[in-house]
Amino acid sequence: SQTIHQWPATLVQPVGSPLSLECTVEGTSNPNLYWYRQAAGRGLQLLFYSVGIGQISSEVPQNLSASRPQDRQFILSSKKLLLSDSGFYLCAWDGATDTQYFGPGTRLTVL
Amino acid sequence: AQSVTQLGSHVSVSEGALVLLRCNYSSSVPPYLFWYVQYPNQGLQLLLKYTSAATLVKGINGFEAEFKKSETSFHLTKPSAHMSDAAEYFCAVSLNFGNEKLTFGTGTRLTIIP
Repeated sequence: SQTIHQWPATLVQPVGSPLSLECTVEGTSNPNLYWYRQAAGRGLQLLFYSVGIGQISSEVPQNLSASRPQDRQFILSSKKLLLSDSGFYLCAWDGATDTQYFGPGTRLTVL
Repeated sequence: AQSVTQLGSHVSVSEGALVLLRCNYSSSVPPYLFWYVQYPNQGLQLLLKYTSAATLVKGINGFEAEFKKSETSFHLTKPSAHMSDAAEYFCAVSLNFGNEKLTFGTGTRLTIIP
């Protein structure tokens, strides 16, 4: 069966520091991968999606970036965090079905 | 472009009472519709989905939803609320099968009153 992992689970970072969040999927190949952000009291905002290695589409211009160095690995990064980057970051994948499956999320607090 | 509106950011029901969470969509083509549930500090879990088959869809944990094209709605219901149903619920829409981005509503937080 397929599983999706995210780490770290929680992260507290100072403003201006770099960021790297990792997401990996097991049990499937060539998945579509997604990064969402959920800010306090708000819905989910799609940040990036990827249909293959090295293929990244950005939905919202911001100081975040994403990379897909391997088929089942999706990384969210920032060179300098802003206070507004705080939130709950969710990675998701879908394959041959019409359903997206979500990871457990990373709670990021920028101070 | 598609969109989803969830009416009521907070809903409270008594334990044992009917749960009704509202979702209306906008789509230029026949949509695929989803309900997800999120427990505190966890990821989203699929409750049920509509993909142009039966209009009444049954999901996990006793939830069901009915696709009503004439009303552009996909409301989520459960006949009898349980304390464990307390969570945030998200309605989402995509345009067609697979490889399509989901557009989410802003969510409804469900509180169960003992």
